[in-house]
Amino acid sequence: SAVISQKPSRDICQRGTSLTIQCQVDSQVTMMFWYRQQPGQSLTLIATANQGSEATYESGFVIDKFPISRPNLTFSTLTVSNMSPEDSSIYLCSVSGQRYNEQFFGPGTRLTVL
Amino acid sequence: GQQLNQSPQSMFIQEGEDVSMNCTSSSIFNTWLWYKQDPGEGPVLLIALYKAGELTSNGRLTAQFGITRKDSFLNISASIPSDVGIYFCAGSQGFGNEKLTFGTGTRLTIIP
Repeated sequence: SAVISQKPSRDICQRGTSLTIQCQVDSQVTMMFWYRQQPGQSLTLIATANQGSEATYESGFVIDKFPISRPNLTFSTLTVSNMSPEDSSIYLCSVSGQRYNEQFFGPGTRLTVL
Repeated sequence: GQQLNQSPQSMFIQEGEDVSMNCTSSSIFNTWLWYKQDPGEGPVLLIALYKAGELTSNGRLTAQFGITRKDSFLNISASIPSDVGIYFCAGSQGFGNEKLTFGTGTRLTIIP
């Protein structure tokens, strides 16, 4: 399986600020996704990060709030903008494709907004 | 967004017992995946199922892809302490490398 790292692993942020989360994979992958896991809940897909083009967002998620970059086949960033306490969640990236038919997850970024 | 219904929501069992959990959907999925999540970690893939009716094993774990394509089951035999965690099913309308819809999760606790 792919080796996926995320930075930061956790952060505590103030209301109104923004945080950029990085996802790095040890090999080239076709697909990269960003999920949100609210406290005690399941995972919900935020968007598919497309290399060289704008991300594809799921219903309820918008680019202004969650801008995403994917400059190459091994790296992506998710920014959580103008944060509020409701954004406190675990944010997870996942990857698939090229060598893998299944989807593998990174360790997650635990965000707390005060 | 859509979520898959997973049951039971939680289980309290003794070490050595067998465990069964299932996942149901109102929609058809073409791929079913089962993940386990430990505290502070991302989900780890346990089993992937690609064909209706398929029965697949991974050690003490066995999962089945329902014949209607609307459900899946996971069984764990002879549970051990490291089985503790949250189990999620996930479905894909395409292959497992496409976007996933997750189940509500089953929290497994082993009573000493």
